[in-house]
Formats: sequence, C-alpha cells, structure tokens
Amino acid sequence: GDSVTQTEGLVTLTEGLPVMLNCTYQTIYSNPFLFWYVQHLNESPRLLLKSFTDNKRTEHQGFHATLHKSSSSFHLQKSSAQLSDSALYYCALSEANSAGNKLTFGIGTRVLVRP
Amino acid sequence: GGIITQTPKFLIGQEGQKLTLKCQQNFNHDTMYWYRQDSGKGLRLIYYSITENDLQKGDLSEGYDASREKKSSFSLTVTSAQKNEMAVFLCASSSTGRGTEVFFGKGTRLTVV
Repeated sequence: GDSVTQTEGLVTLTEGLPVMLNCTYQTIYSNPFLFWYVQHLNESPRLLLKSFTDNKRTEHQGFHATLHKSSSSFHLQKSSAQLSDSALYYCALSEANSAGNKLTFGIGTRVLVRP
Repeated sequence: GGIITQTPKFLIGQEGQKLTLKCQQNFNHDTMYWYRQDSGKGLRLIYYSITENDLQKGDLSEGYDASREKKSSFSLTVTSAQKNEMAVFLCASSSTGRGTEVFFGKGTRLTVV
C-alpha cells in the first residue's frame, strides 16, 4: 500500500532560521496528491498546502513545497521560522482517483521554534 | 464555513467495554472519516464513508465498527476496549473530488483503565 516517510521526531530551531521538513512517499499510482497538514497544540489538523503537479512550487502562509515525482519527494520549507510555527506537521498522500480522497499520513514531525 | 463536532471530548472506559464515539458535520460533505492519532504513529485511517449508509475499511479497522446513519453524522464503536489504551480519535470530512481538503474535528481522547 501507500506509505509516507517524514523527518522523524522533534526539530528544534531558532527563530529567524530556515526550516526544512523532509517528506518522501511510495505509491503504485502515477498521479498522487501530496499534502502538508499542520496541527497546533490543542487544535485539530488543518491543511497547510497541497500539490498534484510535478515540479511546480506551491506556497501558503510563508511555507512552500515542490512535488518531485522523480524522487517521490514533497519537502516543506520556510525561509525564516517564527515562534508561531511551533506545531506538529504531517505529510500526507492521496491517490488522485481514489473514492473519498482518503489520506495516508506520515508519522508527523514536531517543530519547536525558540527565541 | 462549517464545523465538525465530536462527542464526547473525553472518554474513560473499562477494559472489555463497548464504547461509542459520535461525530456531526455541517459542511454538507459527502465523505466522512475516522482517524486514530497516536504519538509517533501519525494518523491512521480506521473507517471512512463516501455517502450515507456506505462504509469502507481503513488500515486499522480491526476492533472497531462504524455507522453512517445520515449524511451529517458518522459514529465509531470500539467493540472491546483494551486495557491501558490511550489515543485520540479524529473525525473528518471532505467533499468528493480530487485532492479536496479534509477538515478535522477536535477529537475524542480515549483512556481505558
């Protein structure tokens, strides 16, 4: 079945420095949708950004990611971390033709941004 | 906009007990989901439903039942709670269509004593 692998565990960084969270995936389907969801403390996960198009950069709220089908990757980046970026980040995959748009999630990467 | 309401927010059960979690959405979405969230294991799909009275098993369906009584509601039953089990169960919904956003509720936190 489908699988998603993310940077594991806790990523601690200093405010103002760049952020990069790795995400790679495996799927038998040729047209996956890739997503990044973010979950702040005591809140529910919400969509941060998504992509379906190979080699096209997608951006939202200062974050960006590019789907590279050649390397099965969808890394999340931000040029300058803010304290409010501290959260749990999930990379997820859905097969574009799947009924119901069910998502396969990675294990999540916790980000802690310090002053 | 819309909202997904999960009840109860906290659920304490005893080993072997049958427990039911409920979810309501007012997005008018066709598809609803139940995910289990465990630290270090991500979100794992238990059941989903693409329309009223439809049920599809996810990767983690063993030990659970689900019911989609109407479009707006989706319930999950833990058929026999396991001792020392702790997890958060997230209900979600989305419209049908490729790559549509999935919206999540705030979760039900289960503790089994």
